[in-house]
Amino acid sequence: DSGVTQTPKHLITATGQRVTLRCSPRSGDLSVYWYQQSLDQGLQFLIQYYNGEERAKGNILERFSAQQFPDLHSELNLSSLELGDSALYFCASSVAGSGGPQETQYFGPGTRLLVL
Amino acid sequence: AQTVTQSQPEMSVQEAETVTLSCTYDTSENNYYLFWYKQPPSRQMILVIRQEAYKQQNATENRFSVNFQKAAKSFSLKISDSQLGDTAMYFCAFKGDSGYALNFGKGTSLLVTP
Repeated sequence: DSGVTQTPKHLITATGQRVTLRCSPRSGDLSVYWYQQSLDQGLQFLIQYYNGEERAKGNILERFSAQQFPDLHSELNLSSLELGDSALYFCASSVAGSGGPQETQYFGPGTRLLVL
Repeated sequence: AQTVTQSQPEMSVQEAETVTLSCTYDTSENNYYLFWYKQPPSRQMILVIRQEAYKQQNATENRFSVNFQKAAKSFSLKISDSQLGDTAMYFCAFKGDSGYALNFGKGTSLLVTP
């Protein structure tokens, strides 16, 4: 158990819908990362938040957005869902998000999203 | 941009034997961090081992060790005394000192057989 929690574990929805994925980082970690794992794209970085502020953006679609709340939990919002958005979405956390060995990222169990 | 290449899509090893998974990367940065993550059938991503590029000594964690060749930009994972529970997808990942995200390879599927 990494200490990172994600809910829900599974999500089935229809095209065009909107969903929210939730992540709670390990105790003491200030940085949250979101990754998408799909069969064709592999593991891709989406976005990082550090202590409530957006720090880095990767291959995140405009239909996707995220935020980190004062209690440091984060939510990833996916809207206007398409079949291709079906994937495993991971949240990871690290202590600082800036560099050094403390930068090791610990992953949550993931949310499996299926868009029908 | 940094790229991470895992040239072995699938590997198989017998229980108690030793296996080495390959990983190469491309970067212009001098300081960076390398990781191996394991993803068993449960799909959880589990950190196996990490290496800081400025450390010449190869990292070791119990049965897992790495062979880090900075000049060759190579970072292989050796699993000794393989166990059935080692069956998983193994991902090599790179994080530059100037970046925040992990760049992952496409993974190597390892099957440990009795």
